Amino acid sequence: GAGVSQSPSNKVTEKGKDVELRCDPISGHTALYWYRQSLGQGLEFLIYFQGNSAPDKSGLPSDRFSAERTGGSVSTLTIQRTQQEDSAVYLCASSLGVGGAGTDTQYFGPGTRLTVL
Amino acid sequence: QKEVEQNSGPLSVPEGAIASLNCTYSDRGSQSFFWYRQYSGKSPELIMFIYSNGDKEDGRFTAQLNKASQYVSLLIRDSQPSDSATYLCAVNLLNNAGNMLTFGGGTRLMVKP
Repeated sequence: GAGVSQSPSNKVTEKGKDVELRCDPISGHTALYWYRQSLGQGLEFLIYFQGNSAPDKSGLPSDRFSAERTGGSVSTLTIQRTQQEDSAVYLCASSLGVGGAGTDTQYFGPGTRLTVL
Repeated sequence: QKEVEQNSGPLSVPEGAIASLNCTYSDRGSQSFFWYRQYSGKSPELIMFIYSNGDKEDGRFTAQLNKASQYVSLLIRDSQPSDSATYLCAVNLLNNAGNMLTFGGGTRLMVKP
């Protein structure tokens, strides 16, 4: 089956515009995660979904960031009024998430490179 | 203190040598441990996971887990230039929600021909 997919692969936007990033997890994976990675830096956790609910959204950097997941599948990360410091690669990952050994293994999508001019 | 710590490197080894990458974590009760490899400009890819104390081998890779000392290592035998990448350690810490993983900052490995 297909892996995690993300779209768009690249997004260039102007400061102040809103952007939407999409993640399509592996079929059957109930858990979904968003991370951000700035150039040369480590992974920064943003938000975690189990099904359609978000038990942990502690990593969202400001109220300009929001995410939703519908139907237990596709997730959208929205950044409002983008700033230059939002420029980064946004990575999505999914895992089986149903408990038991191996269900917490995360598989990553290719990422969306966001550039805010 | 970070919850999952790795030396940022770079760790430089000659081709054919054994590369040893280390990771320490904060929660003694943690159960799941993962190693990912990330090439420059690419997303992380899973190398292997380990749940039990001791060694787990997969090809040229061996993960070693010592829960009492709270560290997990990755050994790469017969290192190749194509192994040059950043290696990320990830742990399902005891205080994580659900199946979340906490990632270390990564160790950059350089294998020189």
